[in-house]
Amino acid sequence: EPEVTQTPSHQVTQMGQEVILRCVPISNHLYFYWYRQILGQKVEFLVSFYNNEISEKSEIFDDQFSVERPDGSNFTLKIRSTKLEDSAMYFCASSVLSVSGNTIYFGEGSWLTVV
Amino acid sequence: AQSVAQPEDQVNVAEGNPLTVKCTYSVSGNPYLFWYVQYPNRGLQFLLKYITGDNLVKGSYGFEAEFNKSQTSFHLKKPSALVSDSALYFCAVRDRSNQGGKLIFGQGTELSVKP
Repeated sequence: EPEVTQTPSHQVTQMGQEVILRCVPISNHLYFYWYRQILGQKVEFLVSFYNNEISEKSEIFDDQFSVERPDGSNFTLKIRSTKLEDSAMYFCASSVLSVSGNTIYFGEGSWLTVV
Repeated sequence: AQSVAQPEDQVNVAEGNPLTVKCTYSVSGNPYLFWYVQYPNRGLQFLLKYITGDNLVKGSYGFEAEFNKSQTSFHLKKPSALVSDSALYFCAVRDRSNQGGKLIFGQGTELSVKP
């Protein structure tokens, strides 16, 4: 069964450093997303991406964050200067355009620890 | 604003007994409704969704959910719980008018099934 893959599974970084989280969405999917889950809290939407541009972003997704689809398969989330409060599980997700109600499929997540 | 409420942080059930995980929503219009499950240190796995039609939808691992429009609820159920069902369950909604729109999650309910 096709799945969303994410790398790295876990990354520890120092405060102020740049981090890039990588994702390979399901191959025929057109919508891409990043969500995050701070330990013990709910899953929060960060950004959605369609047709090579951001279609929606949340208040969390400030100027420190950016997304990119550098080629036909990868979808990345960059955090320019990490803060302690960026420590969280980051989930990439994708969905296919469908008239029956799209299911969003999630990857296994990338644990980011900022120290 | 759209919101999802899962009124129980934790649900404890004995193996073999029926289980219910509650979800209510507050959105405009008729949203798509979803349930996801998260096992420890894993990503979000899609369980089932309500799009239209029969109010009782069946999903993976023997789970089902009942859509109740008048009560704006979408409770997750299973007739006979297994220890392996122990996990974190998330209810989510998605705007029907925006096919690429984001999921909005509830805060999650920890299901614990004891032998």
